[in-house]
Amino acid sequence: AQSVTQLGSHVSVSEGALVLLRCNYSSSVPPYLFWYVQYPNQGLQLLLKYTTGATLVKGINGFEAEFKKSETSFHLTKPSAHMSDAAEYFCAVGLSGGYNKLIFGAGTRLAVHP
Amino acid sequence: KAGVTQTPRYLIKTRGQQVTLSCSPISGHRSVSWYQQTPGQGLQFLFEYFSETQRNKGNFPGRFSGRQFSNSRSEMNVSTLELGDSALYLCASSPLFQGEQYFGPGTRLTVT
Repeated sequence: AQSVTQLGSHVSVSEGALVLLRCNYSSSVPPYLFWYVQYPNQGLQLLLKYTTGATLVKGINGFEAEFKKSETSFHLTKPSAHMSDAAEYFCAVGLSGGYNKLIFGAGTRLAVHP
Repeated sequence: KAGVTQTPRYLIKTRGQQVTLSCSPISGHRSVSWYQQTPGQGLQFLFEYFSETQRNKGNFPGRFSGRQFSNSRSEMNVSTLELGDSALYLCASSPLFQGEQYFGPGTRLTVT
């Protein structure tokens, strides 16, 4: 069965500092991996995805993530945090077999301080 | 292209009532999935529809049901509402199998 673990329910960084949000997955087959962001009272916005190919994936708003099969990880990073990055971030794994079903992690709430 | 739209955005119901939520996918997207988001359980998959057929279902009781119409619009219904059904219900559409999903703003359901 597929599962996702996000380490750290809350992460706090200073504006301009590196953002690192951790995600580990469990999957018996090559996974489809996604990062989504949720702002208060809104739906989820896709930041980036990994399906196949290049293991370093670039997304919107300066975020990127690296797929590491040996570590079963898909950590999200951004070199320099901005106040507008404050939100909740969700890592998700896609169910194999041709279905559009996502298994989400519990989420990490990112706070950015001036 | 217009994004995924969900109506209504907010809803207050009483225990025992039933509710119907609506979702219009992005034009051209034939797959629609539904998720429930609560503070305690997080984001949980409810079901997915493709070409009017339910392709996958999550671990929810039979009180939760859905359907999809020929224009890909989808509805989900919850009968005999319980307090624990209070949640944000999110709809997502996708143009592909195992592709990225695009989420609507959600319907906030409060059961009193």
